[in-house]
This record gives sequence, C-alpha cells and structure tokens, in this order.
Amino acid sequence: GENVEQHPSTLSVQEGDSAVIKCTYSDSASNYFPWYKQELGKGPQLIIDIRSNVGEKKDQRIAVTLNKTAKHFSLHITETQPEDSAVYFCADFMEYGNKLVFGAGTILRVKS
Amino acid sequence: DGGITQSPKYLFRKEGQNVTLSCEQNLNHDAMYWYRQDPGQGLRLIYYSQIVNDFQKGDIAEGYSVSREKKESFPLTVTSAQKNPTAFYLCASSIQGKQYFGPGTRLTVT
Repeated sequence: GENVEQHPSTLSVQEGDSAVIKCTYSDSASNYFPWYKQELGKGPQLIIDIRSNVGEKKDQRIAVTLNKTAKHFSLHITETQPEDSAVYFCADFMEYGNKLVFGAGTILRVKS
Repeated sequence: DGGITQSPKYLFRKEGQNVTLSCEQNLNHDAMYWYRQDPGQGLRLIYYSQIVNDFQKGDIAEGYSVSREKKESFPLTVTSAQKNPTAFYLCASSIQGKQYFGPGTRLTVT
C-alpha cells in the first residue's frame, strides 16, 4: 500500500530561524498533499496544501514545495516563532478510497 | 475545528464496557473518518464513510464499530473486544480530499 515517510522526527530551531520538514511518497498517481499542525491535546489543523499541478505554494511564513519526479514534498517555515512549536504531519491523498495516508509526524520546537 | 464537534472531551470507562464516542459535523461533507492516536504517535485510521449508510474498515478496525445513519453524524463504538482502548480519538470530515478534524475525545479505560 501507499507509504509516506516524514523526516526529521524532531526538529529544534532558534526563534527566527527557518524550519524544513520533508516527506516522500510512493504512489505516482497521488495528486494532493496537505500539511497539518497539531498542538498538544487538540485536533490537527490544516495549514497548507498543494495539488500536483503546481510546484510551490506560499502563505505568509509557510510554504510547501512539491517535486513530482522525485516524489517528495516539503514544508518550509520561515522566521519561526515559539507558537510554531507543535507536531506537524504531512499526508498524501489516496483518490481510491478517498482517504489520506499520514506521515509519522515531526515535533518542532522553537527555542526563544 | 471548523464545524466538527466531538463529545465528550474526556471519557472514562471501566474495562469490559462498550462506549460510544460522538462526532457531528455541519459542513455538509459526505465523507467522515475516525482515527486513533496514541501518545507520541501518528494517526491510524479506524473506519471511514464516504456516504450515508456505507462505511469501510480502516487499518485498525478490530474492536470498533460505527454507523452512518445521517450525513451529519458518525458515532464510533469502542467495544470490550478492543484490547487497548485508552487513546485519543479524532473524527474528521472531508471534501475534495481536504480533511478537517474535530477537537478529539480522550478515552481512558481502567
């Protein structure tokens, strides 16, 4: 079945630095890739997503890039702030079954 | 949390009892999902439903049951057959692949 690998599992950065989280997928038919942020004790929140017909999408301090040839996509957070500290999940949409396959998650810690 | 409600936020049960977790959405989404999350772990799919009166098993369906009698509601029953029911349970609904999650229910079974 489809597999999504997410790296790193933990990431510590200094406030103001950039953070990058990378995911790779296996199904070449995948065409939609969302990113979620989960704060402690809460449900995941969709923060940005990208469809396969574009290579990059940006929303203020966060951006997602997609390389379909290499089958990987990445989340970029610039000018990190303490409130960015959370667990981030990438996902890959399986059109057959209408469901998402999630990566294992990345714990991001922003040190002030 | 975008129009998806889960109740209660915390739930405590004795071992051997069945318990039903509620999930309601007012987003008019056709598809709904249940996930389980253990401490420090990712999201594992329990059941999902693409339309009313239809649902499919996910990766860890054993010990769980669901129903989908109304578009707005997708309750999950954790049965006594589930060996390790203590976990954080998340409900989601989706449209065009975009899933939106509820706030979750933390179930503790002792």
